[in-house]
Amino acid sequence: AQSVAQPEDQVNVAEGNPLTVKCTYSVSGNPYLFWYVQYPNRGLQFLLKYITGDNLVKGSYGFEAEFNKSQTSFHLKKPSALVSDSALYFCAVRDPYSSASKIIFGSGTRLSIRP
Amino acid sequence: KAGVTQTPRYLIKTRGQQVTLSCSPISGHRSVSWYQQTPGQGLQFLFEYFSETQRNKGNFPGRFSGRQFSNSRSEMNVSTLELGDSALYLCASSLGELAHEQFFGPGTRLTVL
Repeated sequence: AQSVAQPEDQVNVAEGNPLTVKCTYSVSGNPYLFWYVQYPNRGLQFLLKYITGDNLVKGSYGFEAEFNKSQTSFHLKKPSALVSDSALYFCAVRDPYSSASKIIFGSGTRLSIRP
Repeated sequence: KAGVTQTPRYLIKTRGQQVTLSCSPISGHRSVSWYQQTPGQGLQFLFEYFSETQRNKGNFPGRFSGRQFSNSRSEMNVSTLELGDSALYLCASSLGELAHEQFFGPGTRLTVL
């Protein structure tokens, strides 16, 4: 069965510093991986995805994520955090080879950027 | 291009009642998924529809049902509401299946009293 874990409920970073939001997954084959962001009182917005190819994926708002197959991780990163990056971030995984393939979301990580 | 729309945005019901939520996907999108978001359980998958067919279903009781119409619009129904059904219900549409990113609506906030 596929699963995804976000080990940190909250991440606190000072503005201008690099940030990392962690995500690990478990699927039987090669996964499709996604990151979404949710701002207060709004739906989720797509940030980036990994399907195949280059392990480093670049997405919206200066975010990027690195697919690491050996560590089964897909951490979200940004070189320099902005206060406006403060939001709830969700990692998601889909096993494309499963007959009942569906997108499973992690529990979310609240990112707080202090000025 | 208009985004995903969900109606109503807010709903208050009492235990035992039933409710129908509606979702209109982005024009041209054929896949619609529904999720339940609660503070304690996070984002839980409910169903996924593609071309009027239910492709996947999450681990929810039979009180939760859904359907998709030929124009890709989707509805979900919850019968015999329980207090624990209070949540934000999110609908997401995508162009196709599997590899495509999902576009989320603003959600319907359901409160069960």
